[in-house]
Amino acid sequence: GAGVSQSPSNKVTEKGKDVELRCDPISGHTALYWYRQSLGQGLEFLIYFQGNSAPDKSGLPSDRFSAERTGGSVSTLTIQRTQQEDSAVYLCASQWDNTEAFFGQGTRLTVV
Amino acid sequence: AQSVTQPDIHITVSEGASLELRCNYSYGATPYLFWYVQSPGQGLQLLLKYFSGDTLVQGIKGFEAEFKRSQSSFNLRKPSVHWSDAAEYFCAVGAGTSGTYKYIFGTGTRLKVLA
Repeated sequence: GAGVSQSPSNKVTEKGKDVELRCDPISGHTALYWYRQSLGQGLEFLIYFQGNSAPDKSGLPSDRFSAERTGGSVSTLTIQRTQQEDSAVYLCASQWDNTEAFFGQGTRLTVV
Repeated sequence: AQSVTQPDIHITVSEGASLELRCNYSYGATPYLFWYVQSPGQGLQLLLKYFSGDTLVQGIKGFEAEFKRSQSSFNLRKPSVHWSDAAEYFCAVGAGTSGTYKYIFGTGTRLKVLA
């Protein structure tokens, strides 16, 4: 597609349930990022994929969070046993070499 | 490792006043530098970027930024702020080698514009 696509755009889930958030990056972009933005807060880095290299998971807040990127393209961020503090907007961005990062519109996750 | 600091969490200016948002970075070489804007309920939009060359870069919406190597800074400026500029602004640093750039974002500066 023309841009970074994220789905769903909104997700409401019950506390304790697992959720999967999807990101379709721009075709050909080798790098993919996940960020979290809590209400009124800045961007919190979660994870970074670059080509076939091992991902940089240094930003994942707990072992309930995981992400994978299949075939160097689509990425899924999984949150297990969701908690209310997981409520936030989850942003995905992709980038190729030394270009700027392009962001999706985000998935707004609400844990009730 | 590279890092980005935006020292001002909130800034309030009057419409028509000038604006400067600060950004300091930490990196051993010259990084790639970016400013993004996020309007309420919107995604992040690139305002401008610096890769090399002229240290004063022009962006969209009348914004400019100046790279100052000696100060490790990349401050964003606008001579006259409009009410529509109220948004959150993020500075970002990209560093690495060809094909392995990683981008780090600052925590953002929220701009409020008074009528």
